[in-house]
Amino acid sequence: DSGVTQTPKHLITATGQRVTLRCSPRSGDLSVYWYQQSLDQGLQFLIHYYNGEERAKGNILERFSAQQFPDLHSELNLSSLELGDSALYFCASSVGGRGQGSSLQYFGPGTRLTVT
Amino acid sequence: LAKTTQPISMDSYEGQEVNITCSHNNIATNDYITWYQQFPSQGPRFIIQGYKTKVTNEVASLFIPADRKSSTLSLPRVSLSDTAVYYCLSPPISSGSARQLTFGSGTQLTVLP
Repeated sequence: DSGVTQTPKHLITATGQRVTLRCSPRSGDLSVYWYQQSLDQGLQFLIHYYNGEERAKGNILERFSAQQFPDLHSELNLSSLELGDSALYFCASSVGGRGQGSSLQYFGPGTRLTVT
Repeated sequence: LAKTTQPISMDSYEGQEVNITCSHNNIATNDYITWYQQFPSQGPRFIIQGYKTKVTNEVASLFIPADRKSSTLSLPRVSLSDTAVYYCLSPPISSGSARQLTFGSGTQLTVLP
């Protein structure tokens, strides 16, 4: 158990809909990262927040947005969903915010999103 | 763009030592090299991290040459439960103040009985 929690574990929805994925980082961690992993694909970095502020953006679509709240939990909002958005979405947390290359990340169990 | 290169897949037998090498260009002076392990439908799990020469923990060893443009993850005496995808972390891409990380495609290690 990494200490990072994600809800829900599974989510099935229809095209065009909007969903919200939630992540609670490990106690004491200030950074939250979101990743997308499609079937048989590697991890695609989406976005990084540190102590409530956006630090870096990866290949995140305009239909997707995220935020980190004062209690440090984070939400990833996916709207106008398409079939291709079906994937595993992972959240990770770390203590620092300098950048993922030097910060050890702890990953949550993921949310499996299925768009039908 | 910074990029990692790893073998796509490797097969090994139980009890053997497995070495997975990753090439990473444009590594910055202060960047560490980190390896993760991922089982199907689970989040990646940290294995080992190093800066230079050799690092060893209870799970693996990491060898980093002086130029730090590559690293080798060594798993001693693998077992069936070591079958997983192993990721070498690419050094961040610096764009102004943003440091964007990319995972490589990973190496699928299959341990055979």
